[in-house]
Amino acid sequence: DIVLTQSPDSLAVSLGERATINCKSSQSVFHDSYNKNYLAWYRQRPGQPPEVLISWASTRESGVPDRFSGSGSGTDFTLTISSLQAEDVADYYCQQYYGSPPYTFGQGTKLEIK
Amino acid sequence: QEQLVESGGGVVQPGKSLRLSCEASGFTFSSFGMHWVRQAPGKGLEWVAVITYDGSIEDYVESVKGRFTISRDDSRNTLFLHMNSLRSEDTAVYYCAKAAYSSSSPHAYFDLWGRGTLVTVSS
Repeated sequence: DIVLTQSPDSLAVSLGERATINCKSSQSVFHDSYNKNYLAWYRQRPGQPPEVLISWASTRESGVPDRFSGSGSGTDFTLTISSLQAEDVADYYCQQYYGSPPYTFGQGTKLEIK
Repeated sequence: QEQLVESGGGVVQPGKSLRLSCEASGFTFSSFGMHWVRQAPGKGLEWVAVITYDGSIEDYVESVKGRFTISRDDSRNTLFLHMNSLRSEDTAVYYCAKAAYSSSSPHAYFDLWGRGTLVTVSS
């Protein structure tokens, strides 16, 4: 099974500042034939279900604010929030959907306001 | 408006069974693979099971294989999770989630989630 390891486990950032979360995969999730990385990022606000922010490692989903961006390829990925807003207080998860199941998640990163 | 609504959760004794349902609306249910994802209290997300759009492929996380069965009824736009031989470690909020794209393969990220239903396994 592919293991995803996020860092840090928790993060406190001031409003308007940049937040960066990393996700490292135990094996590559890049599919040569399709030239795509099979990795997504989700935000889960307290008491809410997760919502997808980024797919294919760097494609922002429809309706997601442009302060969210994803980067990386192969085994190392990053979610960046360029200017933290109060509504971004949440847990963040990366997920790989490469090949056969299981489609594992990272352990999560808790983002708080400093 | 696309929506998923789970039901069927509750308190159940270890070793007993439970069936979860997820009713879909606002999209062509029969065209998309569907997944179950769970979250133990205070913990992270764990992918549990998938069924492809045509039901030809089912797969499970190792810890539930042989105990859980995913199924779908396209005539009722409903996804199910049949859970047998429940254990305390199955205690979690169970979310159903829609595959973001239509594919004959089970792989997907999830663009629509329900609000979840809580399953508590306790004597």
